[in-house]
Amino acid sequence: DIVMTQTPLSSPVTLGQPASISCRSSQSLVHSDGNTYLSWLQQRPGQPPRLLIYKISNRFSGVPDRFSGSGAGTDFTLKISRVEAEDVGVYYCTQATQFPYTFGQGTKLEIK
Amino acid sequence: EVQLVESGGGLVQPGGSLRLSCAASGFTFSSYWMSWVRQAPGKGLEWVANIKQDGSEKYYVDSVKGRFTISRDNAKNSLYLQMNSLRAEDTAVYYCATHAFDIWGQGTMVTVSS
Repeated sequence: DIVMTQTPLSSPVTLGQPASISCRSSQSLVHSDGNTYLSWLQQRPGQPPRLLIYKISNRFSGVPDRFSGSGAGTDFTLKISRVEAEDVGVYYCTQATQFPYTFGQGTKLEIK
Repeated sequence: EVQLVESGGGLVQPGGSLRLSCAASGFTFSSYWMSWVRQAPGKGLEWVANIKQDGSEKYYVDSVKGRFTISRDNAKNSLYLQMNSLRAEDTAVYYCATHAFDIWGQGTMVTVSS
């Protein structure tokens, strides 16, 4: 199974400041079809998860452009350019390159 | 409105069975691979199972193989998860979602306890 490791697990951030979350996979996420199925999800308190980014860097419909994704192979990053109060929650990276799909442990974003 | 609505959760004794349902609306359900994902209380997300559009391919996490069965009825725009031989460690909120995780339901709670 592909293990997804996120850092940090907790991220206190000042409103208006940037935030960054790293995700590392135990093996390459490049699929045989050439795509890299690495996504980022946001889960606000008491809510189901919500897709933010798919295939490394594609923002899903309705996601603010302060969210961006980057990376390749086994190393990926989610960046928030300026954190807003509504960004509080837990962020997960996930891979859908190989079964079983796997998730990172989650990174809790909180406001300082 | 694009929507997934789960139902069927509840309290069940260890060794018991439960069938979860997920009703889809607002999108062409039959065109999507579908997933079940669970989240134990206070824990992270765990993928449980996937099913292809026509039901011809199914995949499971090892911990539920032989106990859980994913199925679908495209005529009813519905996804199912039959859960047998339930264990305490299956206690979680169960979400249905599209396999690309772009659509999620609100989840249904399953509690396995005596």
